[in-house]
Amino acid sequence: EAGVAQSPRYKIIEKRQSVAFWCNPISGHATLYWYQQILGQGPKLLIQFQNNGVVDDSQLPKDRFSAERLKGVDSTLKIQPAKLEDSAVYLCASSLDLGTYEQYFGPGTRLTVT
Amino acid sequence: AQSVTQPDIHITVSEGASLELRCNYSYGATPYLFWYVQSPGQGLQLLLKYFSGDTLVQGIKGFEAEFKRSQSSFNLRKPSVHWSDAAEYFCAVGVDSYDKVIFGPGTSLSVIP
Repeated sequence: EAGVAQSPRYKIIEKRQSVAFWCNPISGHATLYWYQQILGQGPKLLIQFQNNGVVDDSQLPKDRFSAERLKGVDSTLKIQPAKLEDSAVYLCASSLDLGTYEQYFGPGTRLTVT
Repeated sequence: AQSVTQPDIHITVSEGASLELRCNYSYGATPYLFWYVQSPGQGLQLLLKYFSGDTLVQGIKGFEAEFKRSQSSFNLRKPSVHWSDAAEYFCAVGVDSYDKVIFGPGTSLSVIP
């Protein structure tokens, strides 16, 4: 079974530029999560989808971050414009359905904003 | 508010020695508790979870954890550490019915050959 795929693995941009990350969850997984992991900290949930609907986006900085999962499968997370403090690893995870707490994580995208 | 603390930022142990990583949580109801491991450049992998029942939980890679309600703790243990166990370990608590998980800050484990 293929795991959660993410691309790119690394990205370096200048502040005020925009960037997009892509995630393809495990086949059949209804729930998809985007986390931000700043160096030295644990992952923090940005947004959670159930199929193509948003379950929780309370910690997503909506003035600059956006995410979509249009067909209930893969997802993109966008930052526009980026700030220095957005430098982090962005992790995507998926789970079969709600109530399982079995989240499978992708390898992450390391973003550096200069 | 719900939170997870991991008092040890970094721990170094010798290969073959026993290991205990500490985790304390703050949560009003019966918690769902987890331990994840993150190897360099990798995503997180679930080691074990506690939902209810037996307070001693067995996980993958020879790890176990014990839930102690009176101490609000969920410490991770391994009787004999291998060099491949060197990684970052995260304790986490599930806080709602939508599978939201709050992670602790992590403990970095180094293993001396």
